[in-house]
Amino acid sequence: GQQLNQSPQSMFIQEGEDVSMNCTSSSIFNTWLWYKQDPGEGPVLLIALYKAGELTSNGRLTAQFGITRKDSFLNISASIPSDVGIYFCAGQLGHTGTASKLTFGTGTRLQVTL
Amino acid sequence: EAQVTQNPRYLITVTGKKLTVTCSQNMNHEYMSWYRQDPGLGLRQIYYSMNVEVTDKGDVPEGYKVSRKEKRNFPLILESPSPNQTSLYFCASSFVWGNEQFFGPGTRLTVL
Repeated sequence: GQQLNQSPQSMFIQEGEDVSMNCTSSSIFNTWLWYKQDPGEGPVLLIALYKAGELTSNGRLTAQFGITRKDSFLNISASIPSDVGIYFCAGQLGHTGTASKLTFGTGTRLQVTL
Repeated sequence: EAQVTQNPRYLITVTGKKLTVTCSQNMNHEYMSWYRQDPGLGLRQIYYSMNVEVTDKGDVPEGYKVSRKEKRNFPLILESPSPNQTSLYFCASSFVWGNEQFFGPGTRLTVL
């Protein structure tokens, strides 16, 4: 099955720094989702994007749905220690509410040092 | 509290010994799914279910079985586990297929 390419695979940053990560696909998606997985837990939805070009924020997190519909970006501003975890993108061919499989990226592992 | 529960959370077993990992959701979701997570590979879908008595293969179904006799439960069955099935397993559910899935806490399985 298809998988999305996420980069970087891992990041070590200092508290207070901004973080950027992205997800690319060879196929078009109509919905992009970003999840965070804390150590020892299941993934939790952070942001959902439903329209090409859409820019959506959730607190210090901002995600964008790429114009080409083949990529998405997640930014975290002023990182704090609790941002540590693995961030996954997920793409869906169908629009929200329609039947369509979710394909996950390989994940970006974020570590924050004080 | 709305949640997806999995049991057991941790399991160590031996090759060939049948096991079942249970998954239950209390949100009346129609769609449920099983994923396995392996280092560097992200989340890969094993099986999914659109509704009661409706199941289908995901990307990596070999060696697994599922059933959906009730809306809330979606057990994952390994009839004859092998070491390559050592992994972290997640159950997920949502109102509609794929959209905003809620994940369980995970089951870490080791097959010796």
